[in-house]
Amino acid sequence: HLQLQESGPGLVKPSETLSLTCTVSGGSINSSSYYWGWIRQPPGKGLEWIGNIFYSGTTYYNPSLKSRVTIPVDTSKNQFSLKLSSVTAADTAVYYCVRTYGSGSSLFDSWGQGTLVIVSS
Amino acid sequence: QSVLTQPPSASGTPGQRVTISCSGSSSNIGSNYVYWYQQLPGTAPKFVIYRNNQRPSGIPDRFSGSKSGTSASLAISGLRSEDEADYYCAAWDDSLSGPVFGGGTKLTVL
Repeated sequence: HLQLQESGPGLVKPSETLSLTCTVSGGSINSSSYYWGWIRQPPGKGLEWIGNIFYSGTTYYNPSLKSRVTIPVDTSKNQFSLKLSSVTAADTAVYYCVRTYGSGSSLFDSWGQGTLVIVSS
Repeated sequence: QSVLTQPPSASGTPGQRVTISCSGSSSNIGSNYVYWYQQLPGTAPKFVIYRNNQRPSGIPDRFSGSKSGTSASLAISGLRSEDEADYYCAAWDDSLSGPVFGGGTKLTVL
């Protein structure tokens, strides 16, 4: 049974870098069928795709966030991460790590429980 | 402002059939599959419809999806109290080269 678990600070100061890690258990990140990524949801609002990574390191980012986002992968630890730089209050959200089935897909078939990150001084 | 447009709310009584619409454009719904996600209060979303009208295992046949042109719909028949949730549509957008979501529809079971 695949499980994804987010971890990282729940409070980040404005202008700093938000860093989260997703640990995958019950399955391998080294799969040619899946991409791994991040989706966020501001409090009381809708879902926003942040970006995806393939186990080989190929990445795809939301154009609106591309200049501030990196998603590295560590296949030896079965983990991938999110780094979002120069954060503002608008980046306050619940961040979910997800598994995406296939390339060019919107099928997020497995989700972490989500972690709330608040941007505040 | 979401790329896909959904009504903010919908409601129905137990046993009724409700429909939630999702409107897009030729670069997303018009040329790619539509997916629907259910988000129960305080939980992560889960997919209830994939590839326009397919149900994953464990999703009752009360849930159905359809697509026509640049619009899609999620229908829930035999409405039950446990269906009360937020519902989101999603599709790949060729112009943005990424998935886009609707703003979500809050379904209330009266």
